[in-house]
Amino acid sequence: EPEVTQTPSHQVTQMGQEVILRCVPISNHLYFYWYRQILGQKVEFLVSFYNNEISEKSEIFDDQFSVERPDGSNFTLKIRSTKLEDSAMYFCASKQGSGANVLTFGAGSRLTVL
Amino acid sequence: AQRVTQPEKLLSVFKGAPVELKCNYSYSGSPELFWYVQYSRQRLQLLLRHISRESIKGFTADLNKGETSFHLKKPFAQEEDSAMYYCALSRFYGGSQGNLIFGKGTKLSVKP
Repeated sequence: EPEVTQTPSHQVTQMGQEVILRCVPISNHLYFYWYRQILGQKVEFLVSFYNNEISEKSEIFDDQFSVERPDGSNFTLKIRSTKLEDSAMYFCASKQGSGANVLTFGAGSRLTVL
Repeated sequence: AQRVTQPEKLLSVFKGAPVELKCNYSYSGSPELFWYVQYSRQRLQLLLRHISRESIKGFTADLNKGETSFHLKKPFAQEEDSAMYYCALSRFYGGSQGNLIFGKGTKLSVKP
């Protein structure tokens, strides 16, 4: 069964450093998402991406965050200058089309900011 | 405000007992409701969605618009059902369909 692949599985970084989290969505999927889950809290929507542009973003997704689909297969989340409160599990997800509202999630990337 | 509430953090039952995981929502428009499950060390995966009206692994969930609820039920719990269960909501129509609003999750523990 096709999977959404995320790398790295765990990243530790110093506060203020830039971090890039990578995702390879399922190949025929057209809609891409990032969610995050701070330890002990709920999974929160960050951003959705379709047709090479952001279609919607949450209040969490401020100027420190950006997304990119640089080469037609990878979908990246960049945090420009990490803060302690960015420590969380980041989930990438993808969806095939606008019809079936079914997301396939990756295993997540755990980010620890020291 | 759009919100999904799962009142129980932990639900512990014995094998063979009935299970009901509660989910209530607050949403002004027409929602689509989901249950996602996360087994230990595995990724979030879709369990079922209200528009499918199907039973997956013995679980069912009925959308009750009057009570704004989407409780997940199973008549006889199995040990392999032990997992974290998340209720989620999305807009039914429009380009933001995949923007899910999750509840905090309920950890189901099924004891032998």
